[in-house]
Amino acid sequence: QKEVEQNSGPLSVPEGAIASLNCTYSDRGSQSFFWYRQYSGKSPELIMFIYSNGDKEDGRFTAQLNKASQYVSLLIRDSQPSDSATYLCAVRHSNTDKLIFGTGTRLQVFP
Amino acid sequence: EAGVVQSPRYKIIEKKQPVAFWCNPISGHNTLYWYRQNLGQGPELLIRYENEEAVDDSQLPKDRFSAERLKGVDSTLKIQPAELGDSAVYLCASSLEQGGVGKLFFGSGTQLSVL
Repeated sequence: QKEVEQNSGPLSVPEGAIASLNCTYSDRGSQSFFWYRQYSGKSPELIMFIYSNGDKEDGRFTAQLNKASQYVSLLIRDSQPSDSATYLCAVRHSNTDKLIFGTGTRLQVFP
Repeated sequence: EAGVVQSPRYKIIEKKQPVAFWCNPISGHNTLYWYRQNLGQGPELLIRYENEEAVDDSQLPKDRFSAERLKGVDSTLKIQPAELGDSAVYLCASSLEQGGVGKLFFGSGTQLSVL
């Protein structure tokens, strides 16, 4: 079992729709969770982080965390073609402090 | 504010040759990371520095990879000799927080091709 799992996609959504990106993790003790966006040929950029169960909203982005289910998600409202990128889920391991990345989900937003 | 600066942007070498990558972190960021990213994969940590000290190098292939961070600022990652499987993007990142929390700022990366 991978430590951080994501569906590689691509996830295709129409412009204006809600994109839902999901991530599961294996370390039950993890407390810190991050979403990075990576455009093709570019480096990752932090867009959201969440530490507590529930929802955290920032503009069009909402991160959701459920520690009991070991599940974290990212919702993008009013998706735009400029949101087309790979979204990397990252989890800080409780024992090693190492930031473990998933393989990423490729999102395509079409006009 | 300048971001994380890496060089070179691209490097093509033949196998068994040495190669070095350089990174200058964001000013004031004491934590520096080197990650390797293979195509279609997420970044994998090679080494993390807190100031001059390498606090996590468990995934650095020490038989051929070496890294240093002199004076706690710039860092260099070296591969000698390079193998075909080393072809990847090498990312440097820095963070204001210690302990590897997770709010990382990445440089543009060095794309290495080993022929």
